[in-house]
Amino acid sequence: DVKVTQSSRYLVKRTGEKVFLECVQDMDHENMFWYRQDPGLGLRLIYFSYDVKMKEKGDIPEGYSVSREKKERFSLILESASTNQTSMYLCASSLRTSGYNEQFFGPGTRLTVL
Amino acid sequence: DAKTTQPPSMDCAEGRAANLPCNHSTISGNEYVYWYRQIHSQGPQYIIHGLKNNETNEMASLIITEDRKSSTLILPHATLRDTAVYYCIVRVPMWTGNQFYFGTGTSLTVIP
Repeated sequence: DVKVTQSSRYLVKRTGEKVFLECVQDMDHENMFWYRQDPGLGLRLIYFSYDVKMKEKGDIPEGYSVSREKKERFSLILESASTNQTSMYLCASSLRTSGYNEQFFGPGTRLTVL
Repeated sequence: DAKTTQPPSMDCAEGRAANLPCNHSTISGNEYVYWYRQIHSQGPQYIIHGLKNNETNEMASLIITEDRKSSTLILPHATLRDTAVYYCIVRVPMWTGNQFYFGTGTSLTVIP
C-alpha cells in the first residue's frame, strides 16, 4: 500500500522559531510537493521538487525553504515562523510522468504558531 | 480564483449511486478536470481525471459534457467510507505555477 508520511500531525511553535516539517514517501516517486491548506483558499503550492536536490518555487514560497537530499524525503523549513504561517501543511508525491495528475497526499501537519 | 462551482452538500443512501455535479463554464481547451476527495483530518485522495472523454476507474466514473462546461463524478455504489468532501478542480497538468485550487467542494454524506 502506497504511503506518504509526515513527521507530526500537530505542532505548536513560537514566533521566530525555525520549524522543520518532514515528509517521506515509499513509492519511489520522483516528484514531491508541499502545500498549505487554509479555509476558503484551497490548497496552495509552496514548493515542489522533481528530483533529488532539485526544487522549484510554487505560488507562495516566501518565508519557506525546502530540502531534498534523498529521493524519498522532502523537508519544508520555516526559517522564522510567523503567526500567518499557522495552517495545515500537506505533502504529496507523484511519478515523474504523472505530474499533477495523480498525487498521493500525506495526512497533513496542523501547525500553530503562537 | 474559483474556476469551478459545486453544491456545498449532498446526501446519498448507502448502496446507491452518488452523482456529484461540477460546473466549469470557463474551462479552456488545455485544462483537465480533476476530482479529489478529503476525508476529515486526512490528506486529499486522488480519484480520477479527464480532458473530454468519459473516464472510469476502480473508484469512480467521470462524465464530461460535450461542451466541457460541466462534469459529474459518479460513485456507483456509495458506502459509508465514501463520506468526505469532494473537490472538482480544473487546471493544466504541468508546472505552470498556478495554484491547485481546491475550493470548498461538496460535502457528501452517505446515509445508512
